[in-house]
Amino acid sequence: DTGVSQNPRHKITKRGQNVTFRCDPISEHNRLYWYRQTLGQGPEFLTYFQNEAQLEKSRLLSDRFSAERPKGSFSTLEIQRTEQGDSAMYLCASSLAGQGNIQYFGAGTRLSVL
Amino acid sequence: SQQGEEDPQALSIQEGENATMNCSYKTSINNLQWYRQNSGRGLVHLILIRSNEREKHSGRLRVTLDTSKKSSSLLITASRAADTASYFCATDGAAGNKLTFGGGTRVLVKP
Repeated sequence: DTGVSQNPRHKITKRGQNVTFRCDPISEHNRLYWYRQTLGQGPEFLTYFQNEAQLEKSRLLSDRFSAERPKGSFSTLEIQRTEQGDSAMYLCASSLAGQGNIQYFGAGTRLSVL
Repeated sequence: SQQGEEDPQALSIQEGENATMNCSYKTSINNLQWYRQNSGRGLVHLILIRSNEREKHSGRLRVTLDTSKKSSSLLITASRAADTASYFCATDGAAGNKLTFGGGTRVLVKP
């Protein structure tokens, strides 16, 4: 068990560019979550997968954001036409059904949009 | 949007003292959890309390839950410098769904 892995750890991009982040959950976990966290705030939910199915999306997830989990293992989060307001820490978490919704978080990807 | 508020927003104590922080939430919950986050890192689960429980202990941690007041408290006893971190409460309405976090309490434990 190597924990939840997120890549890259840091991403600096120019406004208008597309970015993609990857999350590798704990291998036996069937649930995967994306959150966004800005400085001094708690994480805010973006979206949630059970296996490969995307079951819930926040209103925060505008049409510039898309997430996939094609084989029920790793997930990607893509942001198109980035804006300065997208600058934040993007956190991925995974959990196993039947364990009380305890979520295990990765170290996050910090996005800076210039 | 944030589920609720945490109080205080920041706390500074000496090593060996106890740290208490409170969390309020707005809607009915299934579970309430507390997480710790060291600066610039991911969150680490500390303890979970179910809606039908009133108090739970884990090592130096004590959590209480009052569903009538929609509030919870986290007590860290005999604090250590390594306890310096931000602490967040998180609620969910059903197993497997999203967690809704509070704004966090930033704790500084001075050696």
